[in-house]
Amino acid sequence: SQQGEEDPQALSIQEGENATMNCSYKTSINNLQWYRQNSGRGLVHLILIRSNEREKHSGRLRVTLDTSKKSSSLLITASRAADTASYFCATDAGEYGNKLVFGAGTILRVKS
Amino acid sequence: DAGVTQSPTHLIKTRGQHVTLRCSPISGHKSVSWYQQVLGQGPQFIFQYYEKEERGRGNFPDRFSARQFPNYSSELNVNALLLGDSALYLCASSFYTGELFFGEGSRLTVL
Repeated sequence: SQQGEEDPQALSIQEGENATMNCSYKTSINNLQWYRQNSGRGLVHLILIRSNEREKHSGRLRVTLDTSKKSSSLLITASRAADTASYFCATDAGEYGNKLVFGAGTILRVKS
Repeated sequence: DAGVTQSPTHLIKTRGQHVTLRCSPISGHKSVSWYQQVLGQGPQFIFQYYEKEERGRGNFPDRFSARQFPNYSSELNVNALLLGDSALYLCASSFYTGELFFGEGSRLTVL
């Protein structure tokens, strides 16, 4: 079963606009990570936010974490056509780490 | 530096057969994890190995097994294949915890 649930399931925007994806989870976590996947290929790590952090930035990415609501959001600013991909949140709650639980993902399409 | 490499990239099997998938982690990474991704879903955790010891197992039947070798490469074995085993199998390596580095996956089709 999958812990994270992304919202929306699909998002279509114009180049230059911002894209916001949300993730909710069910149990306590050590950290939450966001990954990107192009067309059924391997996943690429985007950002990791620890349970004691509330916000983190990396380039055009901004991630927030609200542990009281068990939710996270990923904001991509000034989107580009190359940002078209599926985006997954993954929670790490395991004793040894690396046992990530992924959501079903958000499909982002950026139109040029 | 080479990333995580997986082989084969694509394979087709028939029901009841056995399959072995291979993974070479990034140099220096001692942890290898395996994930199954069915079309339209997120990856599901199958196994994690660290220093050749199993450190975690997901909710998969005993038909699924894995091992890690002294050079930290890993194999995932699936016996008695079912149609539902058709998926993209992803291998990921890491130092221990935190960020995972994924390979491009092995796409298995069971007919």
